Amino acid sequence: GAGVSQSPSNKVTEKGKDVELRCDPISGHTALYWYRQSLGQGLEFLIYFQGNSAPDKSGLPSDRFSAERTGGSVSTLTIQRTQQEDSAVYLCASSVLAGTTGELFFGEGSRLTVL
Amino acid sequence: AQSVAQPEDQVNVAEGNPLTVKCTYSVSGNPYLFWYVQYPNRGLQFLLKYITGDNLVKGSYGFEAEFNKSQTSFHLKKPSALVSDSALYFCAVRADLMDTGRRALTFGSGTRLQVQP
Repeated sequence: GAGVSQSPSNKVTEKGKDVELRCDPISGHTALYWYRQSLGQGLEFLIYFQGNSAPDKSGLPSDRFSAERTGGSVSTLTIQRTQQEDSAVYLCASSVLAGTTGELFFGEGSRLTVL
Repeated sequence: AQSVAQPEDQVNVAEGNPLTVKCTYSVSGNPYLFWYVQYPNRGLQFLLKYITGDNLVKGSYGFEAEFNKSQTSFHLKKPSALVSDSALYFCAVRADLMDTGRRALTFGSGTRLQVQP
């Protein structure tokens, strides 16, 4: 597609349930990033993927969070046993190549509300 | 570790007046610096970046930013603000390829710019 696509745009779930958020990056972009934006706070880095290299998972807040990227394209962020503090907007971004000077292109985000 | 500070949660300016949104950074080695803008219910959009060269960088929508190495700052500026500039602005930093550190961008907490008519 023309831009980074994320789904669902909105997700309401109950505490304790698992959720999956999907990101479809710009075609040809080898780097993919997940960030979290909580109300009134900035962007918190979660994880990034670069080609076939091992992902940088250093930003994942707990072992309830995981992400995978299949075929070097689509990525899924999974949150297990959701908690209320997981409520946030989850933003995905892609770039041509991680570690270069190119800018990140962001999707419009998936807003997660945990009741 | 790399970090970004945006000391102002909100900046208010009258339309037609100049605006400045402040950003300071900390990174090992040479920094790559970026500004992004977020309009309501939208993703982030790239405004401009500093990689090397001229300390004054020009970007989209008439914005510019000045890199100051001694003060580790990268303030965003615009000579004449528009009401449509009202949005949330984020500064971000990353170390260059020759330095260790996270390859993903580290963002500041954001500054809300409110331009009054």
